[in-house]
Amino acid sequence: KAGVTQTPRYLIKTRGQQVTLSCSPISGHRSVSWYQQTPGQGLQFLFEYFSETQRNKGNFPGRFSGRQFSNSRSEMNVSTLELGDSALYLCASSRAGRYNEKLFFGSGTQLSVL
Amino acid sequence: GQQLNQSPQSMFIQEGEDVSMNCTSSSIFNTWLWYKQEPGEGPVLLIALYKAGELTSNGRLTAQFGITRKDSFLNISASIPSDVGIYFCAGQLGDTGNQFYFGTGTSLTVIP
Repeated sequence: KAGVTQTPRYLIKTRGQQVTLSCSPISGHRSVSWYQQTPGQGLQFLFEYFSETQRNKGNFPGRFSGRQFSNSRSEMNVSTLELGDSALYLCASSRAGRYNEKLFFGSGTQLSVL
Repeated sequence: GQQLNQSPQSMFIQEGEDVSMNCTSSSIFNTWLWYKQEPGEGPVLLIALYKAGELTSNGRLTAQFGITRKDSFLNISASIPSDVGIYFCAGQLGDTGNQFYFGTGTSLTVIP
């Protein structure tokens, strides 16, 4: 069974640009969530999607957005990039995003903003 | 947001030694997960805990869900060089989807 797949693995952008990251969850998993990981702030929750609807949202500015498609694949978009957006962006999936479930991560997309 | 205090921050141990680390919170969690992360990779799930007092093993790893539901512990027995990495705890407050709160990580170095 394939794991969580994230593309691309690496991205280099400049300030002011926008970026789209992609995530394919484990087959059968309908909940997809996104996390940002930085050395200073650690792992922080961005948002979660279930059945194409955003169900939870972390404390990030509106420049961070996402969506989920009918096949549960998800994309995350960051507009007007800032230097501080440089981070490892991790996608995670679980069956339904309820309690008593396991959360599985992809390898992440390393975003560098210059 | 919720703060998970994970300790120790780093550990340098000899191969064959046992390792203990823990996470504490001021809030009650319903689920605790433990992960290991290696450079350039995403966190890999090691153990999942769902009930207060639960003790679960995965090979040489053993984790416990604290009775107060505000803490969790991870032990690694007879460490080997491939145990090197950063270990994270993650807690879920309730039925809040995949909004987990993560500890700051314990960096483990095993000296052969």
